[in-house]
Amino acid sequence: EVQLKESGPGLVQPSQTLSLTCTVSGFSLTDYSVHWVRQPPGKGLEWMGVMWSGGSTAYNSALKSRLSISRDTSKSQVFLKMNSLQTEDTAIYYCTRDLGGDDYFDYWGQGVMVTVSS
Amino acid sequence: DIVLTQSPALAVSLGQRATISCKTNQNVDYYGNSYMHWYQQKPGQQPKLLIYLASNLASGIPARFSGRGSGTDFTLTIDPVEADDTATYYCQQSRNLPNTFGAGTKLELK
Repeated sequence: EVQLKESGPGLVQPSQTLSLTCTVSGFSLTDYSVHWVRQPPGKGLEWMGVMWSGGSTAYNSALKSRLSISRDTSKSQVFLKMNSLQTEDTAIYYCTRDLGGDDYFDYWGQGVMVTVSS
Repeated sequence: DIVLTQSPALAVSLGQRATISCKTNQNVDYYGNSYMHWYQQKPGQQPKLLIYLASNLASGIPARFSGRGSGTDFTLTIDPVEADDTATYYCQQSRNLPNTFGAGTKLELK
């Protein structure tokens, strides 16, 4: 069964760094790409970036200077790090699986709510 | 970035047809495929893939859902609408990075 699960702190102070982990099961990170998508409360979806199955990454240019995505294939984990957090980064953060290599997402984690507040 | 425009809300009666539109400011077709996808999101849940590459039904999705369109104009149709279909529907393009989503259309029952 395919599963993705996000984990990380629910509260981050302004200007600090967010670190999230996406742990996957039921598929290999070397076969499927994993993307990160976030959703501020009551708002729409924003694509953040991707760890391609081949090991390279791509980022939303709006976040690129603050964002880093990496992985540990032996642990089936994808990591997101974003620095200089502000209140507008408060959102639900999802990791998702790219079904066909064309950047559409068939499985999503349940999401992790991250609040940026002092 | 490619901008996707959706109407904010739509009200439809049970058993009727719902048509949700998504317009892009750039062509999202490439080598015979339209890189447009549709998701359903209910409150408190993660999005669910409904349609990929404009017209392909995702696994486990009932045939009441269908998608069509090309270029810059796309539609998601639900026919007939059931009570469980009340949700927000998002379109997403993957023709160019960054992948972008529409703002969502909230489907309500009359």
